[in-house]
Amino acid sequence: SYELTQPPSVSVSPGQTARITCSGDALPIQYVYWYQQKPGQAPVLVIYKDNARPSGIPERISGSTSGTTVTLTISGVQAEDEADYYCQSTDRSGTYWVFGGGTKLTVL
Amino acid sequence: QVQLQESGPGLVKPSETLSLSCTVSGGSISTSYWSWIRQPPGKGLEWIGYIYYSGSTMYNPSLKSRVTISLDTSKNQFSLRLGSVTAADTAVYYCARDRGADRDYNGLDVWGQGTTVTVSS
Repeated sequence: SYELTQPPSVSVSPGQTARITCSGDALPIQYVYWYQQKPGQAPVLVIYKDNARPSGIPERISGSTSGTTVTLTISGVQAEDEADYYCQSTDRSGTYWVFGGGTKLTVL
Repeated sequence: QVQLQESGPGLVKPSETLSLSCTVSGGSISTSYWSWIRQPPGKGLEWIGYIYYSGSTMYNPSLKSRVTISLDTSKNQFSLRLGSVTAADTAVYYCARDRGADRDYNGLDVWGQGTTVTVSS
C-alpha cells in the first residue's frame, strides 16, 4: 500500500523557521494537503493543492514541492504553532487517500 | 457555514458492528466528498473512506472488507458501518468534507469534533 513519510518530530525556537517534510513516490503527480492538529481538537486544513492557503490561514504558513518530497514551512514560528502536522495525498492513480504519520512541532 | 456532527454509540463489543452517523448542517449533502477518518489513542490519522454526493464510494484497502459508507439525503446525513470490530478499532472517529468534484480534491476543509468509540466487552 502507498505510504507518505514524515519525520516524527521537529523543534524550533520562537521566531525561527520550521520545515516539515513529507515524502512519497506519487507526490510529483498528486497534490498534497496539510493539516494542523492541536491536542483534543479536530485537524484543520492549512494548505491544499500543494501550496494554496484556505482563508484565515496566515501567510507565514506555506507549502512547496520538489520531486517526491513536499515541505510545509512555517516562518516566524509562534508558541501557538505547536501542534501535530499531517500531510495527506492520494496514490498514483488518484484513487485512495492516505495520511502521513504526522510530525510533532515543538516550539522551544 | 457547513458544520458536521458525529453521533453513535461510544462503546461497541468485539465482533459486533460499529455504526456512526454524521449530520451536515448549514449546507447540502448533495455536493462534495464526505469522508470518515479515525485516530487511535496517541496515534496518527487513518483515512477510512469516502462517499461522493453521487453515491459512489471508495474505501481504504486495509478496511474495505469491513466498511460501508452510505448517504441519506433526506436527513442530510452520511453514515459509517464497520463490521467485526476488535480492540484495534478503538479510536476517535471524525467525519469530514472535501468540496472537490470528479476526483479534483480540495482537501478536508470541514471536520466534525470527533467521537470516541471504544471496543470492549
